[in-house]
Amino acid sequence: TQLLEQSPQFLSIQEGENLTVYCNSSSVFSSLQWYRQEPGEGPVLLVTVVTGGEVKKLKRLTFQFGDARKDSSLHITAAQPGDTGLYLCAGVAAGNKLTFGGGTRVLVKP
Amino acid sequence: KAGVTQTPRYLIKTRGQQVTLSCSPISGHRSVSWYQQTPGQGLQFLFEYFSETQRNKGNFPGRFSGRQFSNSRSEMNVSTLELGDSALYLCASSLVAQGRGSYEQYFGPGTRLTVT
Repeated sequence: TQLLEQSPQFLSIQEGENLTVYCNSSSVFSSLQWYRQEPGEGPVLLVTVVTGGEVKKLKRLTFQFGDARKDSSLHITAAQPGDTGLYLCAGVAAGNKLTFGGGTRVLVKP
Repeated sequence: KAGVTQTPRYLIKTRGQQVTLSCSPISGHRSVSWYQQTPGQGLQFLFEYFSETQRNKGNFPGRFSGRQFSNSRSEMNVSTLELGDSALYLCASSLVAQGRGSYEQYFGPGTRLTVT
């Protein structure tokens, strides 16, 4: 069973601060996805990382896939209230079900 | 292109009743997956349908069932509702089935089910 652990579970910061969310597993994934979910809505796909060591940037968001493809991180620079939401990582192992992490709830206060 | 739609958005049912939820995937997507989301358990996979066949199933009791139609629309049914079934039920569609490529999911807004 692949298990994805996200940390921290909850993060509250002031507007303008930076934050990092981690997604760790003992299993190797062929790809890893990050989603953001806002209250009352379904998760929205932010990015997919496929290659070990890969770094992708989406405006102020930076996603990194670990060299061994077992972990990933999401870094937000100069967070804004619009970044508030539940961040979910999800790993895909060949032939297996997509596995979601428990989520990190981020609150950015103005 | 229209996104994933789910109906109804909100539902209140009584213990023992049954419920049917509906999902229309993005046009051209043949994979539809269902998830249950609760504060305590997070996002849990229920099952996936691809071309009208159930391909994968999560660890849920047989009271949870689903089906997919030839136009890729899917329904999920929960029989003999229990209080613990109160949750947000999310449907997601994908171009490919699980185990094929990166399997990116496009979620609908969910159906909020409350069992009293």
